[in-house]
Amino acid sequence: GDSVTQMEGPVTLSEEAFLTINCTYTATGYPSLFWYVQYPGEGLQLLLKATKADDKGSNKGFEATYRKETTSFHLEKGSVQVSDSAVYFCALKLNSGNTPLVFGKGTRLSVIA
Amino acid sequence: EPEVTQTPSHQVTQMGQEVILRCVPISNHLYFYWYRQILGQKVEFLVSFYNNEISEKSEIFDDQFSVERPDGSNFTLKIRSTKLEDSAMYFCASSEAREKLFFGSGTQLSVL
Repeated sequence: GDSVTQMEGPVTLSEEAFLTINCTYTATGYPSLFWYVQYPGEGLQLLLKATKADDKGSNKGFEATYRKETTSFHLEKGSVQVSDSAVYFCALKLNSGNTPLVFGKGTRLSVIA
Repeated sequence: EPEVTQTPSHQVTQMGQEVILRCVPISNHLYFYWYRQILGQKVEFLVSFYNNEISEKSEIFDDQFSVERPDGSNFTLKIRSTKLEDSAMYFCASSEAREKLFFGSGTQLSVL
């Protein structure tokens, strides 16, 4: 079946450090890929997405590139801030039919000043 | 900015009791969803709802679960007879189109 695997957390970084959260996927069809973020006390919200191979999603300084050859969608940010502390979820959705979002476990990021 | 609202934020219940989790989706959205996350595990899809009927459900969503949109604004998830393994964070979501989902902040259900 379709699944998403993301790196185990928690990840703790100092402010201005470089962030990578790995995500790989397995899909029976051709998926769109997403990163959702959950800040403390809030719901999951869409951070960025990519709908086809080699697309790069970006938002708030975060980027992720859809790599079909490695079935990956790693999340990166060049310089994290304390306000980036949250749980990050990688997800996929097949482009055909009314299929639901499939999520990974989530990776907790803590950024310390 | 409009948001999805879930109540209560925490619910504690005894095993075998019925619980109803409530959600108010964003008003012009047409698609509604329930997901859950057991501690330390993945966020799992439960059910999607469109045009007043279930459009898809997972194998988790058995006869103990039901959803309803009773009054055109609320979207509820009922668990008829709770089990210990139903303890999880339950997320409601809604969307205008199927792709961009807006999630509520969740209801933490604890079954004792």
